[in-house]
Amino acid sequence: KQEVTQIPAALSVPEGENLVLNCSFTDSAIYNLQWFRQDPGKGLTSLLLIQSSQREQTSGRLNASLDKSSGRSTLYIAASQPGDSATYLCAARNSGNTPLVFGKGTRLSVIA
Amino acid sequence: GAVVSQHPSWVICKSGTSVKIECRSLDFQATTMFWYRQFPKQSLMLMATSNEGSKATYEQGVEKDKFLINHASLTLSTLTVTSAHPEDSSFYICSALDRAAQETQYFGPGTRLLVL
Repeated sequence: KQEVTQIPAALSVPEGENLVLNCSFTDSAIYNLQWFRQDPGKGLTSLLLIQSSQREQTSGRLNASLDKSSGRSTLYIAASQPGDSATYLCAARNSGNTPLVFGKGTRLSVIA
Repeated sequence: GAVVSQHPSWVICKSGTSVKIECRSLDFQATTMFWYRQFPKQSLMLMATSNEGSKATYEQGVEKDKFLINHASLTLSTLTVTSAHPEDSSFYICSALDRAAQETQYFGPGTRLLVL
């Protein structure tokens, strides 16, 4: 059964720093992996989706990588801003028919 | 991307009452939908998988008689929390599978349930 772990659980950085959030998964035979953002009391905002055949995806200041062999994904945020403060969730799927399995998230605070 | 709606967005009810939450895929057909639950400061935990026209598949530890799921059409799944108690207070999020879009999972905005 797929399990997703995110480290660190919480992170506080000064504005402008580049940062990396880590995600690991136990079953490397994944179908795809997705990163989400969740603001307090709100739903999920999809940030990046990486298909099994891809190594990375980029959107603006965000870059997500996928290394299936090591069971790891990273989310890189460049030039962080206070508006980036939120919880970031990593989730992996094992097939097109199975649901995303979520990690516990990393709570990010970017200090102005 | 595709849109999934949930209704209501929040609900407050008395202990012992039943609450129905609707999940709709607005611009695609979803033969499969998933229901998740999120407690404060916790991650999303899968409750059940809902397939159109058949019985839902529940995760271990989720009571199927308490959380009734109906997926009667290709665009609508409902979750009914029967005889709700304060410990059922949570954030319920549905997700619909768009098979025409590389089987991407799209998420609804969530329903916050508070049982008094």
